[in-house]
Amino acid sequence: NAGVMQNPRHLVRRRGQEARLRCSPMKGHSHVYWYRQLPEEGLKFMVYLQKENIIDESGMPKERFSAEFPKEGPSILRIQQVVRGDSAAYFCASSPLGTGATEAFFGQGTRLTVV
Amino acid sequence: GIQVEQSPPDLILQEGANSTLRCNFSDSVNNLQWFHQNPWGQLINLFYIPSGTKQNGRLSATTVATERYSLLYISSSQTTDSGVYFCAAYNNNDMRFGAGTRLTVKP
Repeated sequence: NAGVMQNPRHLVRRRGQEARLRCSPMKGHSHVYWYRQLPEEGLKFMVYLQKENIIDESGMPKERFSAEFPKEGPSILRIQQVVRGDSAAYFCASSPLGTGATEAFFGQGTRLTVV
Repeated sequence: GIQVEQSPPDLILQEGANSTLRCNFSDSVNNLQWFHQNPWGQLINLFYIPSGTKQNGRLSATTVATERYSLLYISSSQTTDSGVYFCAAYNNNDMRFGAGTRLTVKP
């Protein structure tokens, strides 16, 4: 059973471009969480999704950021018109059930650099 | 939302020493996890511990949910234990992280 897969591992974008980050959860996991980590800081919650539904997006900036978890395929975190402040590591985690009923596992992250 | 606080923020140990890391949370939680982020940035699961005590080798953890805290014990520390230790608490729908404890183990 492969772990949580995130790609790309590293992504460089120029200011104003779009960034698409992908997260394939572990097999059998239908709950996905996205987090952002700035250098030397902790993980900040962004969004929690179940298949085809956004459950909690209270940590997501209101503009330029969006997330989806379609019925088929990976979860996507999309950042439009990137700015330098978006440079960070973005992690996703998956679990079979939500609300902490089961353990969550993290991918290796995508390191976004905006130049 | 729930607030998660970790202490100490930084900890420097000599190899072989023991340590205790603390995680306090502001509200009742459904569950709690401890993670180790190694120097390469990878988040490694240590414990999934809603209550009680668990042990895994030199590491053990105790969560007292009624008093809203969890402890991570590291015994006979090794240089490979260096990194940042996070606790994450589940409240309602999602998992919130503390700011972490940065551990440096010197040879």
